[in-house]
Amino acid sequence: QKEVEQNSGPLSVPEGAIASLNCTYSDRGSQSFFWYRQYSGKSPELIMSIYSNGDKEDGRFTAQLNKASQYVSLLIRDSQPSDSATYLCAVNIVSGFQKLVFGTGTRLLVSP
Amino acid sequence: EADIYQTPRYLVIGTGKKITLECSQTMGHDKMYWYQQDPGMELHLIHYSYGVNSTEKGDLSSESTVSRIRTEHFPLTLESARPSHTSQYLCASSDGGGQIYEQYFGPGTRLTVT
Repeated sequence: QKEVEQNSGPLSVPEGAIASLNCTYSDRGSQSFFWYRQYSGKSPELIMSIYSNGDKEDGRFTAQLNKASQYVSLLIRDSQPSDSATYLCAVNIVSGFQKLVFGTGTRLLVSP
Repeated sequence: EADIYQTPRYLVIGTGKKITLECSQTMGHDKMYWYQQDPGMELHLIHYSYGVNSTEKGDLSSESTVSRIRTEHFPLTLESARPSHTSQYLCASSDGGGQIYEQYFGPGTRLTVT
């Protein structure tokens, strides 16, 4: 089992719709969770971080964390074509040292 | 403006050459990282540092080496480049305190070894 799992997609949504991206993780001791956006050929850009169960909203983005079920999700409201990118879920894992483990990413396509 | 820089952005080099990829950050972060990422693939941690004179190998075995003589500088060196080293190399940094491990990435270096 991978430490962080994401559906590779692509997830296709029309402009203006809500995009829902999911991520599951294996380490029950994880405390910090992050979503990064990566455009093709570019480096990852941090868009959301979440540390407590529940929802965290920032503009059009909402991160949701459920530690009991070991999943994290990212909702993008009013999706725009410029949101088309790969979204990486990252989870802190304690394995001798604290590290971030990244999922393989979900590719999102927003059509005009 | 606090930021993280990588040079060169693109490098095409022949087999057997020695190369150094530069990474500098002006955010005052203690922790720095090097990741390797092939197109469409996941990020793999190859080196990390928790402070000056502290360097460790990451999860993915790499023939590269790193040094951390100054807090803001974390260069990666390949003594003899090979085509198998062709990849994108991403440098990141994070604050050292608490449980917050937000990592911020530089723009990356795309390396091609011919």
